[in-house]
Amino acid sequence: DAGVTQSPTHLIKTRGQHVTLRCSPISGHKSVSWYQQVLGQGPQFIFQYYEKEERGRGNFPDRFSARQFPNYSSELNVNALLLGDSALYLCASSRTGGSLGSPLHFGNGTRLTVT
Amino acid sequence: GESVGLHLPTLSVQEGDNSIINCAYSNSASDYFIWYKQESGKGPQFIIDIRSNMDKRQGQRVTVLLNKTVKHLSLQIAATQPGDSAVYFCAESRPVHGSSNTGKLIFGQGTTLQVKP
Repeated sequence: DAGVTQSPTHLIKTRGQHVTLRCSPISGHKSVSWYQQVLGQGPQFIFQYYEKEERGRGNFPDRFSARQFPNYSSELNVNALLLGDSALYLCASSRTGGSLGSPLHFGNGTRLTVT
Repeated sequence: GESVGLHLPTLSVQEGDNSIINCAYSNSASDYFIWYKQESGKGPQFIIDIRSNMDKRQGQRVTVLLNKTVKHLSLQIAATQPGDSAVYFCAESRPVHGSSNTGKLIFGQGTTLQVKP
């Protein structure tokens, strides 16, 4: 079975632009979470979606938004990009509950560079 | 921000030796913990997990120990191999604010394991 897939793998954007990152969860998984990983640090929680509804949000500004589609795939959108948004954006899926009692399975991420 | 602490940023071991990676967590109410391995250019890969009603769990060549008294977690890798070289993260599961059935992971900053041939 395919794991979590993310696209694109790499992206270069200019300050002020917006970006859309995409994620397809493992087949049968209904929960998708997004994490931001800055170089040299552990991933930080951004959003969690389950059954197409937002179930949790981390400490990120409103420039960050996301949605989940009927097929459980997800998009992360970031508007008005800042240099500090440069990071690896990770998508993770789980069957239910977004990590309460079951592990998250991560994709290989999208490396976003803002210049 | 929230974080789980790790004792050492880098651990260097000889191939064939056992490795021990340590982690301290802050929330005594946390009841589920996960270890991840992250290789360069890849996302975190699940290694092993443990719930708070256990103090030890074994997998293939890996063992996780949980000491709830001192809020300490460790990952032991037996007979370390070059392919074990990576960054290792412990993660603590916490409920998302306002929800009782969805959670988020709080990660430490990671320990880089270097295996010398």
